Amino acid sequence: AQTVTQSQPEMSVQEAETVTLSCTYDTSESDYYLFWYKQPPSRQMILVIRQEAYKQQNATENRFSVNFQKAAKSFSLKISDSQLGDAAMYFCAYRRDDKIIFGKGTRLHILP
Amino acid sequence: EPEVTQTPSHQVTQMGQEVILRCVPISNHLYFYWYRQILGQKVEFLVSFYNNEISEKSEIFDDQFSVERPDGSNFTLKIRSTKLEDSAMYFCASSGARTTGELFFGEGSRLTVL
Repeated sequence: AQTVTQSQPEMSVQEAETVTLSCTYDTSESDYYLFWYKQPPSRQMILVIRQEAYKQQNATENRFSVNFQKAAKSFSLKISDSQLGDAAMYFCAYRRDDKIIFGKGTRLHILP
Repeated sequence: EPEVTQTPSHQVTQMGQEVILRCVPISNHLYFYWYRQILGQKVEFLVSFYNNEISEKSEIFDDQFSVERPDGSNFTLKIRSTKLEDSAMYFCASSGARTTGELFFGEGSRLTVL
């Protein structure tokens, strides 16, 4: 069975600094998708970034980038130039067909 | 920007009562999902729905749960006889594609079972 593990329940970063959130997953499939979702307090989850497993190039969206290591089954999220609005719960997710599995999340605090 | 809307935002019910949670997915999406998140725990997959039938469900989605799309716009989750452990945040999501598309989530419905 597929699993997604986020080993950091909480993290803090100084505003304008860079932070990396970790995610590992377990699957026997070779074709799948990985996502990072952001959930601000009392708000819905929104997609931050997505990675197709067949692509070697790491996805980038403005200040957000990933380090995708397929062999190691690792998918970390780097947030550069952290802003107060980045404070949220971040979920790593794995998708294969209809099933999307989430990690337990990492709560990110931004220190002014 | 189109969004997924859910009602109610919070519902309190007595154990054993039936509850219906409603969702209006994004209008041109074809794939619909329910997830739940017990406080402080991970987001868990409940069920996916396509072409008016369940395409996949988890072991959590037992006989007391059901889903339907009664009128072509709403997508509902019914819990027939609520239990204390059903207290959670329930998220509806929709997607325009089955395997590659991102899921768009609603803001969630908080269910409290007393």
